[in-house]
Amino acid sequence: DTGVSQDPRHKITKRGQNVTFRCDPISEHNRLYWYRQTLGQGPEFLTYFQNEAQLEKSRLLSDRFSAERPKGSFSTLEIQRTEQGDSAMYLCASSGTGGNTMNTEAFFGQGTRLTVV
Amino acid sequence: SQQGEEDPQALSIQEGENATMNCSYKTSINNLQWYRQNSGRGLVHLILIRSNEREKHSGRLRVTLDTSKKRISLFITASRAADTASYFCATLDTGRRALTFGSGTRLQVQP
Repeated sequence: DTGVSQDPRHKITKRGQNVTFRCDPISEHNRLYWYRQTLGQGPEFLTYFQNEAQLEKSRLLSDRFSAERPKGSFSTLEIQRTEQGDSAMYLCASSGTGGNTMNTEAFFGQGTRLTVV
Repeated sequence: SQQGEEDPQALSIQEGENATMNCSYKTSINNLQWYRQNSGRGLVHLILIRSNEREKHSGRLRVTLDTSKKRISLFITASRAADTASYFCATLDTGRRALTFGSGTRLQVQP
């Protein structure tokens, strides 16, 4: 399978716990994005990497959220001290082999559904 | 924040009928894209139209862009039950690096 893969698919955690999600993009893609989607809404942008550099972060990304993309391959998104409002689907997408904008289609993973109880 | 405002929010049609979905945007854009999402799954890219284009076709899909009205429309001809899904427009705003998504249109195609 050469698509974008995310792990885990589902995560249930207690409020206050830390969680970490992983995204493996399409191997030749240099651009990687994290989005968050709540029920009935469209995805909301969280952060963007070009290779290993994190070039853009949304105001939605509070200091409890941190993302990394070491070596410019897979990426992790960590949420510390989870809150019930963090419950959502976390989507990862990758695109492109050149340039620095989403001027081509993006390929999305199946998402990680987080439930904070 | 979400830029694209889509209408209708929900659409129910019979198989074989055509579906029309619209999306309005506010700022200057580089391109607009449509994505489809089946319940609880990831998004799948359908079609991309650049700001200097006015119409694109892909199979049963047709997209039109009216930059004077800042409005994009997605037409699905001869719909099928398998087209049932949520459809999202997304804009690449000038100067931005990532897509901004609308709130989506939930399409139900009755067999």
